[in-house]
Amino acid sequence: DAGVIQSPRHEVTEMGQEVTLRCKPISGHNSLFWYRQTMMRGLELLIYFNNNVPIDDSGMPEDRFSAKMPNASFSTLKIQPSEPRDSAVYFCASKLQNSGNTIYFGEGSWLTVV
Amino acid sequence: GQQVMQIPQYQHVQEGEDFTTYCNSSTTLSNIQWYKQRPGGHPVFLIQLVKSGEVKKQKRLTFQFGEAKKNSSLHITATQTTDVGTYFCAGRSSGSARQLTFGSGTQLTVLP
Repeated sequence: DAGVIQSPRHEVTEMGQEVTLRCKPISGHNSLFWYRQTMMRGLELLIYFNNNVPIDDSGMPEDRFSAKMPNASFSTLKIQPSEPRDSAVYFCASKLQNSGNTIYFGEGSWLTVV
Repeated sequence: GQQVMQIPQYQHVQEGEDFTTYCNSSTTLSNIQWYKQRPGGHPVFLIQLVKSGEVKKQKRLTFQFGEAKKNSSLHITATQTTDVGTYFCAGRSSGSARQLTFGSGTQLTVLP
């Protein structure tokens, strides 16, 4: 079975450019999460969706970050404009909407902003 | 807000030695999960504990949930080089609608 699919796997971009990260959750999963991982701050939850609806975006760092989920099989995380401090690994994850269910992570998008 | 703390942050062991990482929550948890992330990889689910005092084993790994459901531990017996990685606990406060809060992780290095 296909897991959570993220693209791009790696991106290097210049400061000020727009970055769009994409995610396809596991089919049938109705909760989707965006995490950011850095050495300094560890794994941080940015936003999560239930049934395509954003539930909690309190982890989104600032207005430069936005996330959408137009349908059950696709989500985007956009950074505009990007800054060097946004360099991190961005993970998308999905699960069935139930407090005990396992979260399945994608392989991550490694972003470097220079 | 809920905080989940893990210690130690780093641990180096000689192959064959035991390893333990500890997870402590500032609030009572409804359940706790453990994940492993290999270097350059993504977090992978290992196990979930739900009951107070619960102990589960997976081969050389032993997971424990505290009686008060505020702490947990992962113990690896006789580490192997394949155990290298970062181990995260993740918990959700009882009665909370918020999602899992991940600990800061313990990075394990196993020296051959």
